[in-house]
Amino acid sequence: DTAVSQTPKYLVTQMGNDKSIKCEQNLGHDTMYWYKQDSKKFLKIMFSYNNKELIINETVPNRFSPKSPDKAHLNLHINSLELGDSAVYFCASSPPGARETQYFGPGTRLLVL
Amino acid sequence: QKEVEQNSGPLSVPEGAIASLNCTYSDRGSQSFFWYRQYSGKSPELIMFIYSNGDKEDGRFTAQLNKASQYVSLLIRDSQPSDSATYLCAVISSGSARQLTFGSGTQLTVLP
Repeated sequence: DTAVSQTPKYLVTQMGNDKSIKCEQNLGHDTMYWYKQDSKKFLKIMFSYNNKELIINETVPNRFSPKSPDKAHLNLHINSLELGDSAVYFCASSPPGARETQYFGPGTRLLVL
Repeated sequence: QKEVEQNSGPLSVPEGAIASLNCTYSDRGSQSFFWYRQYSGKSPELIMFIYSNGDKEDGRFTAQLNKASQYVSLLIRDSQPSDSATYLCAVISSGSARQLTFGSGTQLTVLP
């Protein structure tokens, strides 16, 4: 019954690999987000989708590619992983007309070795 | 550059005291202000929001906003050890994207 879920919870991988993180929300929200939180706890938005359309695309390397098959899902694919990609990645969603009220998933802890 | 700044702490207060967390923002056009709480190893959760100048109270929490000074604060009365967490200030910046910009958070420890 989790509102915003992410898989996997932990991801340990080697430099140069390609990996994906999945996010699903069952709240009926129409906007979804990916955030990156570094070791200093700084939480920075990466992407935002509204009804499957990209609306925010911050300065993120093009190795990161989001995909939204429907408004309940937002996945993140990362190519050629680098050491600096190690962080916690949070998915979030917000309801129609209230983008500022965001509900976060549990996070995916990515460690690149 | 639009920024949100917080004192990273750590801030320690004794149980029962008032904890005061502060945040300043650079975008004068910012409209909405939020406080998220993040326990260690967990995801952020929204605890307060404020849109107008002045104070807004919710239980033991009070958010204070001063747009002229570009300053927002969170007061926690009767602090409990369970309040120990990182508190993230977030601001909706001006512009059509309405994205949240977060501060780096203040780590609060409430000592029993």
